[in-house]
Parts: sequence; C-alpha cells; structure tokens
Amino acid sequence: AQSVTQPDIHITVSEGASLELRCNYSYGATPYLFWYVQSPGQGLQLLLKYFSGDTLVQGIKGFEAEFKRSQSSFNLRKPSVHWSDAAEYFCAVAGFQKLVFGTGTRLLVSP
Amino acid sequence: DTAVSQTPKYLVTQMGNDKSIKCEQNLGHDTMYWYKQDSKKFLKIMFSYNNKELIINETVPNRFSPKSPDKAHLNLHINSLELGDSAVYFCASTKGELAGAPDTQYFGPGTRLTVL
Repeated sequence: AQSVTQPDIHITVSEGASLELRCNYSYGATPYLFWYVQSPGQGLQLLLKYFSGDTLVQGIKGFEAEFKRSQSSFNLRKPSVHWSDAAEYFCAVAGFQKLVFGTGTRLLVSP
Repeated sequence: DTAVSQTPKYLVTQMGNDKSIKCEQNLGHDTMYWYKQDSKKFLKIMFSYNNKELIINETVPNRFSPKSPDKAHLNLHINSLELGDSAVYFCASTKGELAGAPDTQYFGPGTRLTVL
C-alpha cells in the first residue's frame, strides 16, 4: 500500500531564508507525487506535481521539488520564504483513483 | 468562478442528528471525492465516485452515505452524528481517467462540522 511520511510536524523559518520540507514515500511502482498547501481556514491548493520526466519540478509561488528515486523522496524547496507562505503543507502520492496524504508540515515564518 | 464549491462552510449540530453536506464542481470532471481531515490535520479519503458510480469506499461507517445525482454533484449525508464525526470534510474532483496516470485533484474550501 502507498504511504507518505512527512517527518517534520512543524518548521519555523525566518522571512527571506530558504526552506526545505521533507517528504518520503512508499510505492511499488512509478510514483505520482504532489505537494498541496492549505492556508488557515482554506481548502487545498496544488503547488506542483511530478508524474515523469525531469526530476526537478517547478510549481507556483516560487516553489520547486526534486524527485529522488534512490531516496524515495520528494522534498519541497523555496529559496526565499515570504510571510504569506505560512501554512500547512501536504505531500501526497497517487494510488488507484485516490490520493494518500502525509500528515502535513506546518510552516511558521518569523519576521 | 468557483471550481469546486461546498455548502455549508460551517455546520454545528447535536449528537444523533442527521445532516448533509453538498458539493458541486463546474470543471466538467468525471470523478469526485470526499476526504475527512481530523483535528490533527490528517487527510483521509472516504469515497470516490466516477460518473455517478461508487469507486472507492474506504471502510467508512454506513452512517455516511454519499449520493451523486449527476456527475457534477456529490453530496454527503450523515446519519446519527457522533462526537467523533467532528472534522473538516473536503470535496474534490478530477478528470478521473480510470486507467493511466492520475490527474490533479481540485479541492473545495471544506466544511467544518462540529458535533456537540
């Protein structure tokens, strides 16, 4: 069965600093991977996705993620965090007709 | 235009009551989902429908009954509400190819259900 692990429950980053959120997946075949962001009181918005091809994927709001098959990872990065990036971030892997989510990482941005 | 909409946004009710949450998508998608997000923010799929047919039922208690009158709507009816049903319920939709690479899921804004 597919599973996703996000080892960091919450992370605090200073505004302007770089960010990396970790995601490890377990899946027997080629994984289809997603990062979603949930702002307080809001639904989930897709940041980026990896299906195949280039292992470095660019998303919205300046985010990128790198797929590393050897490490079963799909970490999310941003070179310079803005206060508006404070939110909950979810990594997900696609199974048959459903998404399996990690437990999320809450990003706090300090001034 | 809202792609995936849910009503109501907030729902507060007593234990034992029956309530419904509605979901509509205007994306022309074939597959719709219900997810439950618990107090620890964990998101888990409950149901999926493809063209009004039930595809996934993730061992959800039968007090929960999804209904899809057409492929643009997927409603969730909950009987005999319990305290543990308190959560945020998200509707989502996707083009929904049953074979091949999965497509992006678009989520609604969520319905926060509080059972007292």
